[in-house]
Amino acid sequence: GALVYQYPRRTICKSGTSMRMECQAVGFQATSVAWYRQSPQKTFELIALSTVNSAIKYEQNFTQEKFPISHPNLSFSSMTVLNAYLEDRGLYLCGARDGANSNERLFFGHGTKLSVL
Amino acid sequence: QQKVQQSPESLSVPEGGMASLNCTSSDRNFQYFWWYRQHSGEGPKALMSIFSDGDKKEGRFTAHLNKASLHVSLHIRDSQPSDSALYFCAASPQSGSFNKLTFGAGTRLAVCP
Repeated sequence: GALVYQYPRRTICKSGTSMRMECQAVGFQATSVAWYRQSPQKTFELIALSTVNSAIKYEQNFTQEKFPISHPNLSFSSMTVLNAYLEDRGLYLCGARDGANSNERLFFGHGTKLSVL
Repeated sequence: QQKVQQSPESLSVPEGGMASLNCTSSDRNFQYFWWYRQHSGEGPKALMSIFSDGDKKEGRFTAHLNKASLHVSLHIRDSQPSDSALYFCAASPQSGSFNKLTFGAGTRLAVCP
C-alpha cells in the first residue's frame, strides 16, 4: 500500500534557529507534494505545492526564503523552517499524490510537530 | 471567513448510531469535495471523494453532495468507537486541481461505547 513517512515526529527548537523535516513516499510515485501546517486549533494552512521537475509554488504568507523545499525525486521531499519563532509552531504535514493514479487522494504522513522555545 | 465551513464543531453519538457531519463552501469555484479523517497523533487519511450531485456510498460511509448549494454531508452508519476522530471536509476548484485543496476546521466525533 501507499505510505508516507515523515521525520522527525516531533522537534523542539530554540527561537531563531532552524529545523529540517523530511517526507518519504513508499509504494507509489510522489509526483506532487503539498506541505501544510496544522495549527494547535487544528486548522490547515497550505504552505506550498511541489511537483517534481517544476517550480515550487508558495501560498500567500509563505516564502521560499522562510520555508525552502526540496523535491529531488519521486519518493522524497524535505522542507526547512528557517529562523523559527513562536508563530511557526504547529504540526507540519506532507501530503503526497500518486502520479500513477488519476485519483487525487493525498496520502499524508504523521506530521512533524514543531515546538519553539 | 473560511471558504470551507463545517458543522457541528463536535458531535457525540452512541455506538451503533448514525453520525451526520456537514460542510458548506462559500466559494462557488469549489466543486470537488473530499472527506478526511484524522485520529489523534496521526496525519489525515482520505475517506472518500464526491464530485457529482447525489449520494456516494462506501461501506458504512455515505457522502451526499448538492452542487447548487455547495453543501456536502457525511453520514456514518453503525458508528464504532474506532470512528472517534477529527473529520475534515476538503474542497478544490476542479478535478485535477491538485494545487488548491482547502480544508475546513473539522468536526470532532466521539462515539461512546
